[in-house]
Amino acid sequence: AQSVTQLDSQVPVFEEAPVELRCNYSSSVSVYLFWYVQYPNQGLQLLLKYLSGSTLVKGINGFEAEFNKSQTSFHLRKPSVHISDTAEYFCAGSTSGTYKYIFGTGTRLKVLA
Amino acid sequence: DVKVTQSSRYLVKRTGEKVFLECVQDMDHENMFWYRQDPGLGLRLIYFSYDVKMKEKGDIPEGYSVSREKKERFSLILESASTNQTSMYLCASSFQGAVTPLHFGNGTRLTVT
Repeated sequence: AQSVTQLDSQVPVFEEAPVELRCNYSSSVSVYLFWYVQYPNQGLQLLLKYLSGSTLVKGINGFEAEFNKSQTSFHLRKPSVHISDTAEYFCAGSTSGTYKYIFGTGTRLKVLA
Repeated sequence: DVKVTQSSRYLVKRTGEKVFLECVQDMDHENMFWYRQDPGLGLRLIYFSYDVKMKEKGDIPEGYSVSREKKERFSLILESASTNQTSMYLCASSFQGAVTPLHFGNGTRLTVT
């Protein structure tokens, strides 16, 4: 069965520092991977997605993620964070032939001044 | 831009009441979803619909039902609200296929007292 794991529930980081939010997945079939961001009192917005092809995926707001099949990971990175990046980030996966999107438990990114 | 609109941002209901949560999307998406979001648990799928009048149970359907009479509208019904149904409810929609991302509404925060 497919699962998505976000090991870090909270990540504090100073403004302008780099950040990496970790996501690992398990699946026996081809997987599609997504990162979503949720700002306070809002729904989730798509940051980026990996479907196939290049393993480095660029998204909105300067975020990028790298699909690593051998490590079954899809970590999200940003070289320099802003206060406005404070939010909760969700990794999600889906598999061909199903409707189900499996979500991780989320990582709260707190950017400190 | 795709718009997914949830009719209420905040609801307070009493135990035993019948509760309706409404969701409307404007992009002719085939798929619509209801998720429940709780701290530390991420998003859990309650119900899914892939066409008008079609529905499938998700991971936690107990205590809930749904209705999809028109393509753009998907309703979540709590037949007899209980305090353990206090949560954030998120509606989402997408085109068919596991490669298409979800578009979320802003959520309804339901409190059952």
